Amino acid sequence: EIVLTQSPGTLSLSPGGRATLSCRASQSLTSSYLAWYQQKPGQAPRLLIYGASNRATGIPDRFSGSGSMTDFSLTISRLEPEDFAVYYCQQYFNSPPTFGGGTKVEI
Amino acid sequence: QVQLVQSGAEVKKPGASVKLSCKASGYTFSNYAMHWVRQVPGQRPEWMGWIIAGSGDTKYSQNFEGRLTIRRNPSASTVYMELSSLRSEDTAVYYCAREGGYAYGYSFDYWGLGTLVTVSS
Repeated sequence: EIVLTQSPGTLSLSPGGRATLSCRASQSLTSSYLAWYQQKPGQAPRLLIYGASNRATGIPDRFSGSGSMTDFSLTISRLEPEDFAVYYCQQYFNSPPTFGGGTKVEI
Repeated sequence: QVQLVQSGAEVKKPGASVKLSCKASGYTFSNYAMHWVRQVPGQRPEWMGWIIAGSGDTKYSQNFEGRLTIRRNPSASTVYMELSSLRSEDTAVYYCAREGGYAYGYSFDYWGLGTLVTVSS
């Protein structure tokens, strides 16, 4: 199975700051099958980005995704208080779908 | 709007089985696949399996082969997940998640709120 490694494990930033999260795949995958999710405590994951760079419905444009092959990133351009959460990348290029270990964005 | 409503929390003893439900609304049920994903608090989500709601075809993670069954009832727009031979390590929150299909890169575009399953003697 494809292993996704996220870094850093924790990102400590201030509101208004810029967050860059990394996701590295153990083998090359088509960018169409890389997604990013946000999860807050006690809530289900929420789809932010699909196809590596496409924002899901209702997602603000301060969230952007990029990357290809084995290296992908999620950028939050100006952190709002509600953006402090855990972020997971996920691939569905190969079965089984797998998730990265997550990056916690904290104040 | 799309909603996935999951059944309530369960407490089970080791060796027992649990059956969870996920009722879909707000879209054409048979046009989408549904996945089950579980998450131990503090850990990454873990994919368990999926069902194509239209055909009923299923695929399971090897980690659950032989213990997991996913079914659907199209007339009730509901998907069911049954996990047997429960052990303490199965204590987790279980989510159903709709697959968005080709247009969404097969990502999971809608999620249920989750069902906590606790396995304890």
